[in-house]
Amino acid sequence: AQSVTQLDSQVPVFEEAPVELRCNYSSSVSVYLFWYVQYPNQGLQLLLKYLSGSTLVKGINGFEAEFNKSQTSFHLRKPSVHISDTAEYFCAVSDHAGNTPLVFGKGTRLSVIA
Amino acid sequence: SQTIHQWPATLVQPVGSPLSLECTVEGTSNPNLYWYRQAAGRGLQLLFYSVGIGQISSEVPQNLSASRPQDRQFILSSKKLLLSDSGFYLCAWISKGHGGAEAFFGQGTRLTVV
Repeated sequence: AQSVTQLDSQVPVFEEAPVELRCNYSSSVSVYLFWYVQYPNQGLQLLLKYLSGSTLVKGINGFEAEFNKSQTSFHLRKPSVHISDTAEYFCAVSDHAGNTPLVFGKGTRLSVIA
Repeated sequence: SQTIHQWPATLVQPVGSPLSLECTVEGTSNPNLYWYRQAAGRGLQLLFYSVGIGQISSEVPQNLSASRPQDRQFILSSKKLLLSDSGFYLCAWISKGHGGAEAFFGQGTRLTVV
């Protein structure tokens, strides 16, 4: 079974500063990895996903993530954040067969400070 | 294109009252459907999933039940709500195509049991 650990529950950062949201996963099989963003009282929206190929994945809103198999990590980064990036971010994992539902981390609350 | 509808958006119910949340999907057939609950600081907890009409799998014992009366309809119910049932409920459809198992979420229902 897969599991996901998001190491930081809250990350405050000043506007235009860089940010990294950390995600580590555990799985005995090959996985797909996802980052979702949730704005207040809304559903989750896909930011980016890693399926195969290049380990650096670019997503929407200027975010990118890097898959590191040896460290079982999939950290999310943005070089310069905006106030509008304030939201909850979730890392998720599924197996290649897609036979099990997505497993989510507990989320990281990103607060961008003006 | 595939869309997922979830209603109502907000709901305030007294303890002991019944519950019915509805989720419908458009633009696909025979989807895998999921109900998640989100509590503050706890991420997304998978409650139920369904791979077809009348097929329901429960992930955790609880005061809730789910039904799938039609291919693209998934209902979350309770006969008697508890205070602990309060939370943000999300319906999701998970694809298993070439893109891997990616989840598409409804806008969520904020349930407050008083």
